[in-house]
Amino acid sequence: KQEVTQIPAALSVPEGENLVLNCSFTDSAIYNLQWFRQDPGKGLTSLLLIQSSQREQTSGRLNASLDKSSGRSTLYIAASQPGDSATYLCAVWRNRDDKIIFGKGTRLHILP
Amino acid sequence: DAGITQSPRHKVTETGTPVTLRCHQTENHRYMYWYRQDPGHGLRLIHYSYGVKDTDKGEVSDGYSVSRSKTEDFLLTLESATSSQTSVYFCAIRARGGNTEAFFGQGTRLTVV
Repeated sequence: KQEVTQIPAALSVPEGENLVLNCSFTDSAIYNLQWFRQDPGKGLTSLLLIQSSQREQTSGRLNASLDKSSGRSTLYIAASQPGDSATYLCAVWRNRDDKIIFGKGTRLHILP
Repeated sequence: DAGITQSPRHKVTETGTPVTLRCHQTENHRYMYWYRQDPGHGLRLIHYSYGVKDTDKGEVSDGYSVSRSKTEDFLLTLESATSSQTSVYFCAIRARGGNTEAFFGQGTRLTVV
């Protein structure tokens, strides 16, 4: 059974800091890993998709890495801003059945 | 935004009544998913579909059924709603292929009283 864990569950940092969010998964037989952002009361917005053959993806101030062999991904946010405050979710999908499994998320609060 | 529409967006229903939630897509994507999101549990997969009339169970499928008679529509039915099914329900779609992104609808907030 694929399990996805995100650490920490919550994080508060001052504006301007660089930060790292962690995601680990137990089954390395995955197609992809995708990072999402969710604002309170809203749906999920896709941030980055890392294919199984890739090691990282970048979009603006965001950089996500993937190490399948160790079952880990990190989301790096540079120069954090109050607008980055949200819950960040990682999800993986398995090769054999196309199920998409989520972690419980990291709730991020950027202090002005 | 990806062409996904969930309806209704909000619903209050009584215990024991049947409820159907609809997910409609305009992207012609192969895969469609239903999740529920609850505090402390995150997003949990209820059912998913990998094609017309092809569906499979997720981790929390008890009490739910699904149907997909057309590529664009994926219906989630609560045959007899219970208070434990009060939740926010999200639909997701994904194109065929291993390297495709998943996109989510805006969610349906269901309250069972």
